Amino acid sequence: DTAVSQTPKYLVTQMGNDKSIKCEQNLGHDTMYWYKQDSKKFLKIMFSYNNKELIINETVPNRFSPKSPDKAHLNLHINSLELGDSAVYFCASSQGGRGGNQPQHFGDGTRLSIL
Amino acid sequence: KNEVEQSPQNLTAQEGEFITINCSYSVGISALHWLQQHPGGGIVSLFMLSSGKKKHGRLIATINIQEKHSSLHITASHPRDSAVYICAVRFSNTDKLIFGTGTRLQVFP
Repeated sequence: DTAVSQTPKYLVTQMGNDKSIKCEQNLGHDTMYWYKQDSKKFLKIMFSYNNKELIINETVPNRFSPKSPDKAHLNLHINSLELGDSAVYFCASSQGGRGGNQPQHFGDGTRLSIL
Repeated sequence: KNEVEQSPQNLTAQEGEFITINCSYSVGISALHWLQQHPGGGIVSLFMLSSGKKKHGRLIATINIQEKHSSLHITASHPRDSAVYICAVRFSNTDKLIFGTGTRLQVFP
């Protein structure tokens, strides 16, 4: 059973489109994250939710909107996609409070390519 | 400023060699993570530590809080250890993880 699963694995789309990436974890964790890994392989936090509450909201364009319907799911919706949004997006989860003080479990990533 | 630096950026080794990857950070932390990213892209958490030393199989992670430095060691390296190793730090003044730029390790048979 996959612990943290993201869909889709690959997403190729045109500039200006709106797309969503879904993430689900079956570990019973109460904190979930979205990270972006750029072309230089540098990872950076975008958002974090704890029990459906947004606790980290980094300086990302407001075209990016996370949504957590329950603590097992954290989806990422992106409006008006731009070339610079091309990256690999990783979802992760951890147990307990605010992020960083517990091991994180990562999904396999979603490779987003903007044409 | 919250900064994380890793060295070396790239590392090649022969199978069986002892490997050391270093991570330095700028200010006080509450936790430090070592992650492994496989060539296929998946990320695995190897260790999380806030003091001392942890061991798992051939992997050992140490941290020196006073020196603001951590090391990841791999004993008897194997080609399957080839991956990018990433240090990530939770600084005491923030809730988020700040990542190093990674160390690309290649182990040749």
